[in-house]
Amino acid sequence: NAGVTQTPKFRVLKTGQSMTLLCAQDMNHEYMYWYRQDPGMGLRLIHYSVGEGTTAKGEVPDGYNVSRLKKQNFLLGLESAAPSQTSVYFCASSTPGLAGGTDEQYFGPGTRLTVT
Amino acid sequence: AQKVTQAQTEISVVEKEDVTLDCVYETRDTTYYLFWYKQPPSGELVFLIRRNSFDEQNEISGRYSWNFQKSTSSFNFTITASQVVDSAVYFCALSEALSPKTSYDKVIFGPGTSLSVIP
Repeated sequence: NAGVTQTPKFRVLKTGQSMTLLCAQDMNHEYMYWYRQDPGMGLRLIHYSVGEGTTAKGEVPDGYNVSRLKKQNFLLGLESAAPSQTSVYFCASSTPGLAGGTDEQYFGPGTRLTVT
Repeated sequence: AQKVTQAQTEISVVEKEDVTLDCVYETRDTTYYLFWYKQPPSGELVFLIRRNSFDEQNEISGRYSWNFQKSTSSFNFTITASQVVDSAVYFCALSEALSPKTSYDKVIFGPGTSLSVIP
């Protein structure tokens, strides 16, 4: 049981290049999320998904796209990377709360992305 | 609107001291969940506790304890007899539980409190 895994762990891009971050979870969780973490900013939600085939915008969605074609995978794409997207990216998954909302989130180890 | 405030940006304590991390939240809902997560220097995010809004009992787990008070919209976290391994950034988070039961709203994280425990 690997939990939540992220690929790759590190990446350096040049401005304008594209890439896809892969998140996989083996806990059969309904909900999945992509966050970015910048110094002094805490965690900010980029996009999330409440089920296979559905996605929604979070707090900072501009410049990113996502897809959830399979329940266990949540992909984050950068079509044209910018230096402002230099950050640590975390994927997370969770189950729905019994009374709505969500239960605790399980996080991947993070991807450190640098855009030069 | 949802909001989570952690007014303490950085705290330093000497080992074996007790320390309390404050968390104040704002929500429009009567049913919600509160969480604490720990991020040690290695970078991973680790879940510590979840509290439902309808359960105001305080909780103790070893050296950790949590004080949930709806009257003041606070969910404070106390570490007793701190240790160097407690050095980390601690995040408080809020998830509203909108009606109907299956609806969802995003989780809001506070900015985090960086705790340094000095040997």
